[in-house]
Amino acid sequence: KNQVEQSPQSLIILEGKNCTLQCNYTVSPFSNLRWYKQDTGRGPVSLTIMTFSENTKSNGRYTATLDADTKQSSLHITASQLSDSASYICVVSEANQAGTALIFGKGTTLSVSS
Amino acid sequence: NAGVTQTPKFQVLKTGQSMTLQCAQDMNHNSMYWYRQDPGMGLRLIYYSASEGTTDKGEVPNGYNVSRLNKREFSLRLESAAPSQTSVYFCASKGGVGEQYFGPGTRLTVT
Repeated sequence: KNQVEQSPQSLIILEGKNCTLQCNYTVSPFSNLRWYKQDTGRGPVSLTIMTFSENTKSNGRYTATLDADTKQSSLHITASQLSDSASYICVVSEANQAGTALIFGKGTTLSVSS
Repeated sequence: NAGVTQTPKFQVLKTGQSMTLQCAQDMNHNSMYWYRQDPGMGLRLIYYSASEGTTDKGEVPNGYNVSRLNKREFSLRLESAAPSQTSVYFCASKGGVGEQYFGPGTRLTVT
């Protein structure tokens, strides 16, 4: 069964510190992997999208990595800010005949405190 | 350019009542989607529309109907609401093979 597992479930860090969120998936055939940020009470907003051939992609202080061989991805946040407090969702796209189907992880809730 | 808009933002229904959630996008996207998000679970696809005039079931379609009114609008209807349909509903749109853009969500409570 296609699944996306994220860890940790929740995380609390001090402002200015770095952190890394993990995503493991069993989706096949693989099309791409996305990381979304979801602020409380808002819809998810895309941070990065990576295809099979991409290992790293950055968006400001956010850097995503992808190891397609081990089916693992990580999202590294550098010099965290209070505004980084949100849920981070890993989404893997399954390539199929109808187009692509998205498999969502349950998210990691990040709290950044001052 | 408002992106994806949803109405209403909040709704409370009694069991058995019906309602329609509205979604519109102004990005000229072909594909539109309805998801529900429940605590401790990832977003789950209810229905999607790959293009104007077509709709298909997603992972959790029971109790819902959809209408792709035109390229811009995709509505979700609950004919007889049940407490199990208490959730946050997100509409999204996607152009080509690009990323999905999500609306702000509708928080629905069924009592």
